[in-house]
Amino acid sequence: GQQVMQIPQYQHVQEGEDFTTYCNSSTTLSNIQWYKQRPGGHPVFLIQLVKSGEVKKQKRLTFQFGEAKKNSSLHITATQTTDVGTYFCAGRNRDDKIIFGKGTRLHILP
Amino acid sequence: NAGVTQTPKFRILKIGQSMTLQCTQDMNHNYMYWYRQDPGMGLKLIYYSVGAGITDKGEVPNGYNVSRSTTEDFPLRLELAAPSQTSVYFCASRLTTGGGDGYTFGSGTRLTVV
Repeated sequence: GQQVMQIPQYQHVQEGEDFTTYCNSSTTLSNIQWYKQRPGGHPVFLIQLVKSGEVKKQKRLTFQFGEAKKNSSLHITATQTTDVGTYFCAGRNRDDKIIFGKGTRLHILP
Repeated sequence: NAGVTQTPKFRILKIGQSMTLQCTQDMNHNYMYWYRQDPGMGLKLIYYSVGAGITDKGEVPNGYNVSRSTTEDFPLRLELAAPSQTSVYFCASRLTTGGGDGYTFGSGTRLTVV
């Protein structure tokens, strides 16, 4: 079946360093969403990307959707301790099914 | 608005017991979902509903049942609990499937089956 692969699974960064997580689908997606889950919390919707090549920014977070609409990335500039958590992508395929990636767990070293 | 409310927050079940996880949303969302999340893993869809009276299986429906008698409520029933059902269960809702809105998740129910 269709898969949405997310890498890396874990990432440790020093506070102030940048962080990127990547999401790759085996098939073309209609759109892709990104969520953040704090430790012990629930996923919280961050953003949705729909157009090929789309780039959106939210303060220090930059989201990109690939030209082929099969991959996406989330980049955080100058990480802060509040960025700790797991970041999930969720891709919608042509059958209108949403597939979540397994997430990237971000740890910030002070 | 309360958003998506799940009860209970924690529960310990013995093997073979049954229970119902409650989920209520006050946003008048049509779409509702049940996911389970195992430690360090992603979200797996158990069941979903596109509106009152309509439910459908997701990726891992075995051992669970749902009903959707109203727009607001989407309870998840566990029959004959097994250790493999130890997990965190999230209920989520969404207004539409094509808009720019994402899922709104509840705070989760942490279930342990012993």
